[in-house]
Amino acid sequence: EAQVTQNPRYLITVTGKKLTVTCSQNMNHEYMSWYRQDPGLGLRQIYYSMNVEVTDKGDVPEGYKVSRKEKRNFPLILESPSPNQTSLYFCASRGTSRRETQYFGPGTRLLVL
Amino acid sequence: SQQGEEDPQALSIQEGENATMNCSYKTSINNLQWYRQNSGRGLVHLILIRSNEREKHSGRLRVTLDTSKKSSSLLITASRAADTASYFCAYSGAGSYQLTFGKGTKLSVIP
Repeated sequence: EAQVTQNPRYLITVTGKKLTVTCSQNMNHEYMSWYRQDPGLGLRQIYYSMNVEVTDKGDVPEGYKVSRKEKRNFPLILESPSPNQTSLYFCASRGTSRRETQYFGPGTRLLVL
Repeated sequence: SQQGEEDPQALSIQEGENATMNCSYKTSINNLQWYRQNSGRGLVHLILIRSNEREKHSGRLRVTLDTSKKSSSLLITASRAADTASYFCAYSGAGSYQLTFGKGTKLSVIP
């Protein structure tokens, strides 16, 4: 089954404690991205990757890092989380054609205390 | 911000009625897509319309695109309670691989 998986699904942490949210897709997609979703603001892109070792900033990259060492994985790293990063995070992937459907993971709900 | 805007922000209708949601955007686009999100879950792709198309149908969904007005609409006919969800438009600008999402319309269909 074609899918994007994220882990963990729920996470409560404290300010400053580094964390990683994993993302994996099984569709051999080149393009992967991370979004955060906040009430009233919709989805905003954090980072995206066109292929292995190729990453670029989205609209709200501050406070986040990503890496793309393998095609299937695209982890999101918060080196020093802060309360304003409390949000619902989605990973997504699609092929390189702009007409292709983007597949979303189930989401990771993060609370930073 | 180049983020799109959906209108209305929230819509409540009776089962069987039609629901219309609108999306406006600010840039030239390659295509425009509509997604659905059930509460707190991942988004699911509904339909894509290319910039050179004006109308597209998929089951009970009808999408229109007016590039001169930089707007799109999603019509759901004969709505069902199961259509209750948030609906987002998303578009990629000409020459861009990034997908920019609107803020969404929350649809409630009352049985």
